[in-house]
Amino acid sequence: QSVVTQPPSASGTPGQRVNISCSGSSYNIGSNYVYWYRQLPGTAPKLLIYRNNQRPSGVPDRFSGSKSGTSASLAISGLRSEDEADYYCASWDDSLSGHVVFGGGTRLTVL
Amino acid sequence: QVHLQESGPGLVKPSETLSLTCDVSGYSINTGSYWGWMRQPPGKGLEWIGSIHHLGTTYYNPSLQSRLTMSVDTSKNQFSLKLDSVTAADTATYYCATTPYTDSPWFGPWGQGTLVTVSS
Repeated sequence: QSVVTQPPSASGTPGQRVNISCSGSSYNIGSNYVYWYRQLPGTAPKLLIYRNNQRPSGVPDRFSGSKSGTSASLAISGLRSEDEADYYCASWDDSLSGHVVFGGGTRLTVL
Repeated sequence: QVHLQESGPGLVKPSETLSLTCDVSGYSINTGSYWGWMRQPPGKGLEWIGSIHHLGTTYYNPSLQSRLTMSVDTSKNQFSLKLDSVTAADTATYYCATTPYTDSPWFGPWGQGTLVTVSS
């Protein structure tokens, strides 16, 4: 099991706002940036949010990230059917000489 | 635009060595940046394997470190992964990606991934 935890599933209806949580510790989220990835079925993950709340070019402002203490959250507003995917948070972990940790992933279903 | 493509055997026998290569196009590895590997077992989440700088500095996942070797071949503009003594637990889709920092999970773009199955 990952040291960074996410709910295994989330759901919402079109147009709704959905939040996906990511919980870690002082070794990772508490002292380092959080990143979010979206993985559509059968494809490689794609960076959605970097450095807690920054969006790469091309990512719509419907996606936003936040961090507080040892937890982070991804918010998706104006939910669309194409948002149905797996979402992963990630951070650097300062223990054991340092390493990248991914959350277990959250499968978002658009009802 | 940077493009990455993984290649290697799709089937490896238990106890043998898994070897994969990531070909980079549209960017010279010599220029800088870091290069990383991730994997994803079927139906499961992502796991970071390690990252390497073009000058050879490596950062490995502590849980894989004893079996892992990463290298860069600047003459071929590619980087590689070797994982020794594989078991069925190493069956996964393996992805390569680029990252601007060594101590960061900032990866992109990614290769399309290659499925490696460990089975006799």
